[in-house]
Amino acid sequence: DAGITQSPRHKVTETGTPVTLRCHQTENHRYMYWYRQDPGHGLRLIHYSYGVKDTDKGEVSDGYSVSRSKTEDFLLTLESATSSQTSVYFCAISETGFTDTQYFGPGTRLTVL
Amino acid sequence: DQQVKQNSPSLSVQEGRISILNCDYTNSMFDYFLWYKKYPAEGPTFLISISSIKDKNEDGRFTVFLNKSAKHLSLHIVPSQPGDSAVYFCAASVSGSARQLTFGSGTQLTVLP
Repeated sequence: DAGITQSPRHKVTETGTPVTLRCHQTENHRYMYWYRQDPGHGLRLIHYSYGVKDTDKGEVSDGYSVSRSKTEDFLLTLESATSSQTSVYFCAISETGFTDTQYFGPGTRLTVL
Repeated sequence: DQQVKQNSPSLSVQEGRISILNCDYTNSMFDYFLWYKKYPAEGPTFLISISSIKDKNEDGRFTVFLNKSAKHLSLHIVPSQPGDSAVYFCAASVSGSARQLTFGSGTQLTVLP
């Protein structure tokens, strides 16, 4: 299994509060991704990173920001959480981003009340 | 507008028989396709992939078929085992940077003993 951890694994928060989710990898892979999974939608890309300090938006980036200051860590921040951001969040990594498979972390279940 | 569609939310098969999971796509630029398997409370795990230059790829009990003219791919599992019971996602991407994956909504496969 690829060395990917996510923290926290579960979080309950209130509307309007900031939330930061962390993805940590031990594989030294260049590419990292954040997805959310919702019923009927599969997984949708929020943001991705192609190197330290290099990030770009995905399909559903509104309301989210990311940062990558080290190769091994990719942070997802909800500046002011809303109930529509209740979801399961998955981090993924890939070595080159071109033909390599993406490997996923265990996920974080976030509930915004 | 979903670019990758899995029209069957669920599928049940008997142990030992063949499972066939289907996926359709609309974006003709997609040139790399993957199948992931997901158990509850875990992240998706990579199963098998296929490049658009091929029409078939096999790995043990798993075979993926690609029909580019029909924009259709399928995953065959033979023989099906109870441990195969999971949600299966197909995903597609376009050549270029970062390999952004577009996922289908998933099919719940149940293999009955």
